[in-house]
Amino acid sequence: GAGVSQSPSNKVTEKGKDVELRCDPISGHTALYWYRQSLGQGLEFLIYFQGNSAPDKSGLPSDRFSAERTGGSVSTLTIQRTQQEDSAVYLCASSTTGLAGGEQYFGPGTRLTVT
Amino acid sequence: AQSVTQLDSHVSVSEGTPVLLRCNYSSSYSPSLFWYVQHPNKGLQLLLKYTSAATLVKGINGFEAEFKKSETSFHLTKPSAHMSDAAEYFCVVGAGGTSYGKLTFGQGTILTVHP
Repeated sequence: GAGVSQSPSNKVTEKGKDVELRCDPISGHTALYWYRQSLGQGLEFLIYFQGNSAPDKSGLPSDRFSAERTGGSVSTLTIQRTQQEDSAVYLCASSTTGLAGGEQYFGPGTRLTVT
Repeated sequence: AQSVTQLDSHVSVSEGTPVLLRCNYSSSYSPSLFWYVQHPNKGLQLLLKYTSAATLVKGINGFEAEFKKSETSFHLTKPSAHMSDAAEYFCVVGAGGTSYGKLTFGQGTILTVHP
């Protein structure tokens, strides 16, 4: 079956512009996660969705970052007024439930470059 | 709170020799532990997971890991390395109990396999 998909695969943007990153989870997966992978910080948790609600947004680095999930499926991560330090690979993962121990399936990521 | 430390940033082995990638964890709960692999320009793939069942966990591609609570370790091993094992490996801890499955990643170990 189809795995987690993310779009775009690559995004180059100018400093100060807004960007939207999209994640399509595996059908039927209620839990969705966003992570960021950067050279200096490794892999970091950003936000967790259970259905359409986000019980944990603690990993979002600033108020320039926001995310939403509609219909319990597709999620969009928005970065406003991008900065060079936002350059990273943004990964999305989904899981059948949000419970601990559940396997998370990762998408291929969106590589964001802020110039 | 939970954290994970991968003791080696790089490991180099010859093809056909054993592989040992070391990981120590810290968790306030009985943890879920995972090893993920990331091949160059590919997404994260789950190798194996421990969720309080057998302490010796077998994964894909001949990898296994042993959970040692007294040592707070979860080292990854493989008896005989193959060239295709060259990749970056992440030790990951998830929340235990009924908490949701936010993952905390180690910094990664790059495995190089020489012919």
